Amino acid sequence: EPEVTQTPSHQVTQMGQEVILRCVPISNHLYFYWYRQILGQKVEFLVSFYNNEISEKSEIFDDQFSVERPDGSNFTLKIRSTKLEDSAMYFCASRGTGWNYEQYFGPGTRLTVT
Amino acid sequence: SQQGEEDPQALSIQEGENATMNCSYKTSINNLQWYRQNSGRGLVHLILIRSNEREKHSGRLRVTLDTSKKSSSLLITASRAADTASYFCATDAAGGNEKLTFGTGTRLTIIP
Repeated sequence: EPEVTQTPSHQVTQMGQEVILRCVPISNHLYFYWYRQILGQKVEFLVSFYNNEISEKSEIFDDQFSVERPDGSNFTLKIRSTKLEDSAMYFCASRGTGWNYEQYFGPGTRLTVT
Repeated sequence: SQQGEEDPQALSIQEGENATMNCSYKTSINNLQWYRQNSGRGLVHLILIRSNEREKHSGRLRVTLDTSKKSSSLLITASRAADTASYFCATDAAGGNEKLTFGTGTRLTIIP
């Protein structure tokens, strides 16, 4: 069964460093998302991406965040200058075309900022 | 309460019993999706129910949706130890961009 994959599974970085989290969505999906979950809290929406552009972003997704689909398979989230409060589990999700389709999530990248 | 609130927050039952979790939300929706999350792991999609549907089944799972009450329930029948996890509802708001708003989750523990 097709699945969303994410790398790395765990990333430790120092405050102020840049990180890139990588995702490979399900191959025939065209809608992509990033969410995050701070330990013990709700899963929160960050950004949605379709047709090579951001379609919606949350208040969390400020100028230090960016997303890119550099080729036909990868979808990345970059955090330019990490802060302690960026420590969280980051989930990538994708869904198929059409309306009212399921969003499938990857296993997540645990980001720890020290 | 916030969009997507589950209750109870925690539930412990004996293996073989049925488990029911509820979710309430505030805005009109296109669909509601249920996910399972094992501790510290990814989100596994369980079932999607559309706003024009009232009930849906998948294996041992039964989901209901009452749009007039803005609530949904997830029933897991004949529970197994492997069902121990956190369960979240997530709503796709009508008129939105299909971003999901998650609830706080129900922590389900199945006692062998």
